[in-house]
Amino acid sequence: GAVVSQHPSRVICKSGTSVKIECRSLDFQATTMFWYRQFPKQSLMLMATSNEGSKATYEQGVEKDKFLINHASLTLSTLTVTSAHPEDSSFYICSASLGGGFYEQFFGPGTRLTVL
Amino acid sequence: GENVEQHPSTLSVQEGDSAVIKCTYSDSASNYFPWYKQELGKRPQLIIDIRSNVGEKKDQRIAVTLNKTAKHFSLHITETQPEDSAVYFCAASNSQGAQKLVFGQGTRLTINP
Repeated sequence: GAVVSQHPSRVICKSGTSVKIECRSLDFQATTMFWYRQFPKQSLMLMATSNEGSKATYEQGVEKDKFLINHASLTLSTLTVTSAHPEDSSFYICSASLGGGFYEQFFGPGTRLTVL
Repeated sequence: GENVEQHPSTLSVQEGDSAVIKCTYSDSASNYFPWYKQELGKRPQLIIDIRSNVGEKKDQRIAVTLNKTAKHFSLHITETQPEDSAVYFCAASNSQGAQKLVFGQGTRLTINP
């Protein structure tokens, strides 16, 4: 149980285009989903926290107009990287939490974004 | 906000020896401390976690200790095997708050045969 999927697993796009990444909890309802970014040989950095039906909470330094997050249902959250640039190339990972006293976060497999 | 420091950044041990990775945290409200193993290009994999009401937890060759007073926690891997080679991350969160995980910088562990 507690499986989280992400799609696509990797994407290559041209500079200036937008890319949407989906994160799904397959066998549970996630009250909260988290989006992380990981640059090569670095740690995971939290970008934003999203709760179903409400606006995402962004971490300091993360542009909310550039990284659009939608959490439309208890099983789906999307991250859209708008007007992507080469410096946005990274490994994007989502996680999902059951909430309600459950501590563990379940991670998706990640999406490798390369902006040319 | 929470800040997690992890040491060492790289660790090389002989197969069969023990490995210890240490982390410190800054926010006394943090109460959940997971450890993750991440292989190249893969998702972080939870290997063990500990809550603040426990001082030590063990699962076969892996153990975690927590010192709340000193705000530090450690991962211990005994009888290391080549497949233990990976990057390990500690993290901390406050389950009563936003449940955000703050990660340490990571430790690249290499097990030499």
